Amino acid sequence: EAGVAQSPRYKIIEKRQSVAFWCNPISGHATLYWYQQILGQGPKLLIQFQNNGVVDDSQLPKDRFSAERLKGVDSTLKIQPAKLEDSAVYLCASSWGQHTGELFFGEGSRLTVL
Amino acid sequence: SQKIEQNSEALNIQEGKTATLTCNYTNYSPAYLQWYRQDPGRGPVFLLLIRENEKEKRKERLKVTFDTTLKQSLFHITASQPADSATYLCALDMSTGGFKTIFGAGTRLFVKA
Repeated sequence: EAGVAQSPRYKIIEKRQSVAFWCNPISGHATLYWYQQILGQGPKLLIQFQNNGVVDDSQLPKDRFSAERLKGVDSTLKIQPAKLEDSAVYLCASSWGQHTGELFFGEGSRLTVL
Repeated sequence: SQKIEQNSEALNIQEGKTATLTCNYTNYSPAYLQWYRQDPGRGPVFLLLIRENEKEKRKERLKVTFDTTLKQSLFHITASQPADSATYLCALDMSTGGFKTIFGAGTRLFVKA
């Protein structure tokens, strides 16, 4: 079974530039999550989708971050404009549904903002 | 405020001993609790899930306990091996209008040969 795919694995940008991350969840998984993990911290939930609808985006900085999940499959997370404090690993995860337990994570996209 | 606390300091143990990691939480009433393993540069990998009405869960050398009165979970690795060295994350599943999974900061475990 193919796992959660993310790209790019690494990205370096200057502050105020924009960046986009892509995620392809496990086939059939209805719920998709984007987490931000700053070095030395645990993953912080940014946004959660159920199919193509947003379930929770309470911690997404909406002035600069946006995410979409068109057709309820792939998802894109965008940051525009980036700030230094956005340097982190952006983890995508998926699960069969909400409240079904196990989250399957991708390898993450590491962002460095200079 | 709501908090999930895991040992911030790394845990160093000798091979063959039992490693015990702690997860404490405040102001949450989780439906269940999960433990994940994370290796450097990789995404977290699911290990175990325990529900609020379960006291203990085992899987091979792993054991998890869940005390909703103390608001604490303990994660044990018996007969530890150097390959068990990693960061272990505790995660709570919350019902807050929808369901979401909140992670602690993790505890780094080093097992010496």
